[in-house]
This record gives sequence, structure tokens and C-alpha cells, in this order.
Amino acid sequence: QQQVKQSPQSLIVQKGGIPIINCAYENTAFDYFPWYQQFPGKGPALLIAIRPDVSEKKEGRFTISFNKSAKQFSLHIMDSQPGDSATYFCAAGGANNLFFGTGTRLTVIP
Amino acid sequence: DVKVTQSSRYLVKRTGEKVFLECVQDMDHENMFWYRQDPGLGLRLIYFSYDVKMKEKGDIPEGYSVSREKKERFSLILESASTNQTSMYLCASSLWGSSGNQPQHFGDGTRLSIL
Repeated sequence: QQQVKQSPQSLIVQKGGIPIINCAYENTAFDYFPWYQQFPGKGPALLIAIRPDVSEKKEGRFTISFNKSAKQFSLHIMDSQPGDSATYFCAAGGANNLFFGTGTRLTVIP
Repeated sequence: DVKVTQSSRYLVKRTGEKVFLECVQDMDHENMFWYRQDPGLGLRLIYFSYDVKMKEKGDIPEGYSVSREKKERFSLILESASTNQTSMYLCASSLWGSSGNQPQHFGDGTRLSIL
């Protein structure tokens, strides 16, 4: 079964908008929650990651919000740009392996 | 800078062939991984290795094997290729330690078509 559930499958926003991608997990042993960004023809690249001892982490225009009790985390992209158009994967992992969501294809319209 | 190199970007093979996918990393990482990526399914782990000659099955190992004779090189082998193995294959590496809570660095993938 899917260890990490990701939504939405696709997302279209206007330039300057704030797309939000959500993920949920079940295994309380997970202690590492990264987000990867993938452009066409390229492999996934680590964008930002959070550990469960904090509820939010910001790096530039990208923010992870983490809700440990709800077992949910989300990615927010502030002031989105056409160059942010890509597929985004959340993941969750612990001692044994990293489990990926099914991906969200983001399109930012100029 | 971190570099994971997959030997082929595109590969076309026939059903029943033995197929080798090669991956090399230059970061002296202990852990190496093979995933397949399919639309709507995300990335699924096939095998990983935490040291030379060591390997562990992932979620979908059936029909695949791996080889790690040197620290920097990890090979994925399709023993007898079938059409349902047509996919994008991604190699990744990470530092020593738990395989699930370290940043993984990915190559650009090999798009494999089995005819």
C-alpha cells in the first residue's frame, strides 16, 4: 500500500500565486520528510527537508509545514514563478528506506 | 558538487534479453539505490546497497538483481526483460547511516523500453 499519499495530482496557478501540495503518512516511525523537485529529462533534486522536531521550515520561497499529530506535511511555494513549473515529490523515511508520494505536476502560468 | 551518473539516457531492448543499467557516484557514498518511476505511481524502490557486495530488496525486486563490486558503482540487472519493465530507472546515493533519513542524490535516469 502507498506509505505516503500526495495530493493534488496536478496544479495550475498564476504567476505570484501560492501553490500548496499536501502529503500524509501513517508510519509514526518516520523521522525525515524531504521534498524533491523534478524537471523534465532530469532526476529529482532535493528541494527542502524537515525533521519532526519543528513545525515549519523555510528556504527562500519554499516552506514546509509539518503537523505531527495529524501525520501531515505540506509544501508552500511563495510568489511562484514560471520556472517553478516541475513535478514535486514528497517523501517520508526512517531507519529503513525512503517512501515517495506519487507526485504533483505544477504549472505556473505567466 | 554531487554527481550521480547513469550510463545511458535511453535504452531499447527486446523481450527476453539480459539488460544491464550502470550507475556511478563520485561522492564516496556508502548507500546506493535503484528506483523505477512510473506515471501515477511515483518512485518505487527496487534494491539498495549499503556497502560493497551488500544488497537489500526494496518494494519491487521481482525480475531484477543488482551488483556492487566497487563502492562507486551500482548495477541493475534485468535477468530476462519483459514489456512490463518498460519504465524510467533512477539511481541514487546517500551517505552512510540509515537508508531512509538521509538526503538522496539522484542521477538523471535511464528511460528503458522493452519491445
